[in-house]
Amino acid sequence: SAVISQKPSRDICQRGTSLTIQCQVDSQVTMMFWYRQQPGQSLTLIATANQGSEATYESGFVIDKFPISRPNLTFSTLTVSNMSPEDSSIYLCSVERSGGYNEQFFGPGTRLTVL
Amino acid sequence: GNSVTQMEGPVTLSEEAFLTINCTYTATGYPSLFWYVQYPGEGLQLLLKATKADDKGSNKGFEATYRKETTSFHLEKGSVQVSDSAVYFCALKAGGFKTIFGAGTRLFVKA
Repeated sequence: SAVISQKPSRDICQRGTSLTIQCQVDSQVTMMFWYRQQPGQSLTLIATANQGSEATYESGFVIDKFPISRPNLTFSTLTVSNMSPEDSSIYLCSVERSGGYNEQFFGPGTRLTVL
Repeated sequence: GNSVTQMEGPVTLSEEAFLTINCTYTATGYPSLFWYVQYPGEGLQLLLKATKADDKGSNKGFEATYRKETTSFHLEKGSVQVSDSAVYFCALKAGGFKTIFGAGTRLFVKA
């Protein structure tokens, strides 16, 4: 298994500002995923982050709004830029178990409120 | 494309009742199927999985059988507890990178 921590666990931000969310994994992983989960909703994949390459963004998400860094095999950051109240959500970091098992491990999430 | 459809919630049961949460899928090839659970204020965690037809995944009294003929992976538990109150997500992965998650079903169990 993989243990994932995220910082901050929650934050309240003013519109127009940016927040960087950190994700730390206790083991080396190839792919890390960033999801958004709006209240009472399912998960929406924002992007996939591979170490050493540009993140791959899903339709509807762009790098200028959600820049991602992946400096090594255990760490990634997601920035939510120029925030608006519509960005209020839970942001989840996830990794896939290595060895072809396909299941994913998730961090506890970052609960973001934009005023 | 690949998709997952699960029953809408919320589902409200009394303690010790039988639970079924329906999940059907559409996928090319032979996907792996999963149930994830999300307890209040937490991230998702894997509950059980099945990787081929007729496999039964089980964990913590929950079980689900991979039915290729009906493209289903229904979650069942014989006797639910208050501590089972959570949101349950059915999911599939059929090659490639992206896991497809269902909409989630919220379960409330009353004492």
